[in-house]
Amino acid sequence: QSALTQPHSVSGSPGQSVTISCTGTSSDVGGYDYVSWYQQHPGKAPKLIIYDVNKRPSGVPDRFSVSKSGNTASLTISGLQAEDEADYYCCSYAGTYTVVFGGGTKLTVL
Amino acid sequence: EVQLVESGGGLVQPGGSLRLSCEASGFTFSSYFMSWVRQAPGKGLEWVANIKKDGSDKYYVDSVKGRFTISRDNAKNSLYLQLDSLRAEDTAVYYCATQFGPRFFDYWGQGTLVTVSS
Repeated sequence: QSALTQPHSVSGSPGQSVTISCTGTSSDVGGYDYVSWYQQHPGKAPKLIIYDVNKRPSGVPDRFSVSKSGNTASLTISGLQAEDEADYYCCSYAGTYTVVFGGGTKLTVL
Repeated sequence: EVQLVESGGGLVQPGGSLRLSCEASGFTFSSYFMSWVRQAPGKGLEWVANIKKDGSDKYYVDSVKGRFTISRDNAKNSLYLQLDSLRAEDTAVYYCATQFGPRFFDYWGQGTLVTVSS
């Protein structure tokens, strides 16, 4: 049950694209297509933005997309907007009804 | 509208106990896996425990096994987390969340703060 590895921080200017990686093992990210991503603004509860690797809940713009290769999933946010500034967490199913989160990435919009 | 409202947090001494509650509304509670996820101050999210729809099976992160107990009452649309033998490292905001699958967490409460300190 080791945490998934995410970069501590990323940044980009409005309109640009940024990518946040999430690296696990064959027992979690690499073993299942059950990776999800959450956005958390300061003082707020997390919000689901991606599930089952690359599906978006209703209301989440298609500027958010995910790809997965092997033990690494990557969230790309295109057309950066000021409101995208937040913490982002990946999460993966790890078998036997357990899940594991990444350490989180702080996105700064310059 | 889905609502999850946590309560029961507070200040407790090391070795002490607390019982957290989560009252659910706006959806069919008995149709959902439910989870507790915590976040230590300034730190990331950590899944703590989950429970199947009928309460028949429960799963925990290794660090809380034997100390925390998750339960639910579908008649009361409520989820619980009994925290025993608390340690300073259990200090966190505890979120109640619906869990689809258990593949992802689709709805979250606003959290309740547990502080373990002497």
